[in-house]
Amino acid sequence: GQQVQQSPASLVLQEGENAELQCNFSTSLNSMQWFYQRPGGSLVSLFYNPSGTKHSGRLTSTTVIKERRSSLHISSSQTTDSGTYLCALELDNNNAPRFGAGTKLSVKP
Amino acid sequence: DTTVKQNPRYKLARVGKPVNLICSQTMNHDTMYWYQKKPNQAPKLLLFYYDKILNREADTFEKFQSSRPNNSFCSLYIGSAGLEYSAMYLCASSSYWGVEQYFGPGTRLTVL
Repeated sequence: GQQVQQSPASLVLQEGENAELQCNFSTSLNSMQWFYQRPGGSLVSLFYNPSGTKHSGRLTSTTVIKERRSSLHISSSQTTDSGTYLCALELDNNNAPRFGAGTKLSVKP
Repeated sequence: DTTVKQNPRYKLARVGKPVNLICSQTMNHDTMYWYQKKPNQAPKLLLFYYDKILNREADTFEKFQSSRPNNSFCSLYIGSAGLEYSAMYLCASSSYWGVEQYFGPGTRLTVL
């Protein structure tokens, strides 16, 4: 079955609202990374965060190993935040990072 | 320099012809990866090298080849391109397993 699940699949916000994106995994974790996918398909690394909490501007990533989840919080969303957010995990029973299906975020003005 | 470079950025290929994509990094990373990204789909791991050891995913084993002549370079080779190979190909590297990956800008392959 699915070892990495991202939710929600899509999300529509009004500018200024907050967003909480989730990545859930089924086994122990070796690595966890959050990416923003540009419209052309290239990836921007947001956080490498296999455990704990990290902050970068309006973004916060929290990974809780024992709960097998990682979240990406976007505060005070802006229209330029629109796009697809991906988590990539290397699970303990794998040998390379694999991606979740992504969350497509749309922020309306 | 944490840059991963990919060449070419855009590639047009004919059905049945071979395709060779190149990736390079100067971070002395042990591991290099190739992913395939199609619209509205997550990037899919195709294969990766740890040092000189190639690991290919079972479901794409026969479709893609790769070589790594030295630590800095890694290629992705398609022997006979089909329409289904049209996609963005993303190369990444990491210093070891289970650590941060650095991605290149991708090569957009269009097969006609």
